Amino acid sequence: GAGVSQTPSNKVTEKGKYVELRCDPISGHTALYWYRQSLGQGPEFLIYFQGTGAADDSGLPNDRFFAVRPEGSVSTLKIQRTERGDSAVYLCASSMGQGGNEQYFGPGTRLTVT
Amino acid sequence: TQLLEQSPQFLSIQEGENLTVYCNSSSVFSSLQWYRQEPGEGPVLLVTVVTGGEVKKLKRLTFQFGDARKDSSLHITAAQPGDTGLYLCAGARLREYGNKLVFGAGTILRVKS
Repeated sequence: GAGVSQTPSNKVTEKGKYVELRCDPISGHTALYWYRQSLGQGPEFLIYFQGTGAADDSGLPNDRFFAVRPEGSVSTLKIQRTERGDSAVYLCASSMGQGGNEQYFGPGTRLTVT
Repeated sequence: TQLLEQSPQFLSIQEGENLTVYCNSSSVFSSLQWYRQEPGEGPVLLVTVVTGGEVKKLKRLTFQFGDARKDSSLHITAAQPGDTGLYLCAGARLREYGNKLVFGAGTILRVKS
């Protein structure tokens, strides 16, 4: 079956611009996660959705970052007024549901802010 | 400060050698997962361990969860060039962290033919 997909695979934007990153989870997975991975580091948690609601957004670095999952499937991570420090690979993962910590990752979106 | 410390950070070995990667913490985890990541791709789940002292084998890979559920190791026997990649451990603490995973910084493994 299809895995987690993310679009775009690469995004280059200018400082100050707005970007949207999309994640399409594995069909039937109710839980969806966003992580950010900087060069030479492991992924860092950003936000977790259970269904349509954000169950835990404690990893979002500031209010420029926002994510939605309006129908409980596809999610969009939105970054306003991008800064060079936002450059990283943004990873999405999904899992079966609460307590199911076997998370399956997408290929990521590489964001470069110039 | 990294909650999960992985060592070594980088390992370069010859094909056929054995190796062990360590993942250590002062915290107790509900479960621990090992992932392998190749350049330009997302992490791929290798195994989940949940019971203290648990040992799981996946072909030439052996994973162990410490008795106190604070540490884990990954042992590869007779490494092959196809094992090259970034190995990540990730811990879950349902009570404190909910469903999110806390990752180590990773071990870069390079196997030369």
